[in-house]
This record gives sequence, structure tokens and C-alpha cells, in this order.
Amino acid sequence: QVQLVESGRGVVQPGGSLRLSCVASGFTFSSYGMHWVRQAPGKGLEWVAFIRYDGTNKFYGDSVKGRFTISRDNSKKTLYLQMNTLRPEDTAVYYCAKEGIGCSGDGCPFDYWGLGTLVTVSS
Amino acid sequence: DIQMTQSPSTLSASVGDRVTITCRASQSISTWLAWYQQKPGKAPKLLIYKASSLESGVPSRFSGSGSGTEFTLTISSLQPDDFATYYCQQYKTYSQTFGQGTKVEIK
Repeated sequence: QVQLVESGRGVVQPGGSLRLSCVASGFTFSSYGMHWVRQAPGKGLEWVAFIRYDGTNKFYGDSVKGRFTISRDNSKKTLYLQMNTLRPEDTAVYYCAKEGIGCSGDGCPFDYWGLGTLVTVSS
Repeated sequence: DIQMTQSPSTLSASVGDRVTITCRASQSISTWLAWYQQKPGKAPKLLIYKASSLESGVPSRFSGSGSGTEFTLTISSLQPDDFATYYCQQYKTYSQTFGQGTKVEIK
């Protein structure tokens, strides 16, 4: 069965950096675009970043553009999110999510999600 | 970015009730809309994609409709397992956006 397991949780000071990982299993990782989505405590869902199945295209939400970098290693079936210049408002549970079917030309629904990993930005 | 607005923000209902949640897009998204259910401390679960297609394994009491800018999620007969928060998501563009959520509470 499909599994997505995030890691890299931690407490970081403002201005600091952190790298999240998401290890995939149960599907052909190299065939699917992947996303990061976050959820601040008690708040709704916010899309963070997308990477195409082959890593050639990447897109970011406005709130993280220029600070976060999404990447993937298909040989390791792993998705990454490098987060730099972290701010208190980046505090959230970060989920990785797999693209499902029924896609538009540019986007897809997310059919599988990881359990999430908590990032806390605080001094 | 396309803005998604859900209503109501909170809904109180009883087991067996028919429940409807509305999601409006700030511009037309055709039928590129998904609905998710989220329970406390858990990841969201896909219920509906392409506005009205039921995800595999999701009970048939869930249904979706709409196109353009107005969409609805309907639960035909609310079950105890359905008390949760529901989110709509547009995926017409790469910059995908979610509604603010609708919490379905026990009346």
C-alpha cells in the first residue's frame, strides 16, 4: 500500500534552516508529481510547493518563494523540502502529498498524504 | 491566486441529517475541484475529485456537484464517523488553493 513518511521535525530559531524528507513506498515514485502542504496550529491547509515527476518543474506558494526549495531523488524514492530564513509564521505541520487522478493540465488532487511533521520556529 | 471561500464555517447537525457545504471560487475553475475530510491530528483524506467523482473506497453518501465558480459537497445521511472538518481545493492552476474549512459538529 502507498505510504509517505515525513521526517525532519524540529524547533528552529527565526532565520534558521531545516530540511524535511518524505520517503515514499507502495507506488512508482518516479512517475508522480509531489507536493508539500502545511497547516499552522488550529488553521487551515496551505499549499507550499510542487515538483514534477522528473524534477524538471518546480512551483512555490508566494509565502515561501525564494526561501524554500523542493527537490527529489527518484533513486531513493525521497522528496525534500529545504527551508531557509525561517519565520515564526512558518510554524506548522508539513505534509507531503502525492498527485492522484483527474488532473487538470496544471494541477491534480492529492490522493495520498503523509502523517505530517511538525516544524516550530521560535526563539 | 484563485481564492476559495467555504460556507458555513461551522455546521451543527445530527446523525442522519442531510448536510450541504458550499465552496465558491473567485474565478472559474471549470470542474477542477476536490473535497477533503480531516479529523483532528490526522492527514486530510480525499473524498471527491473533478467536482463530482468519488474517490475509491469513499462511501456513496458523499457526493459533489458544481462547475465554474460554485460547488457543493453533500452528505446524504450523516454518520458518526463524518464529524470532521471539510476542505475544498482548486487545482486549475499550479498554485493550488484551499478553502478555509467547514467544521461539522454534533448538534
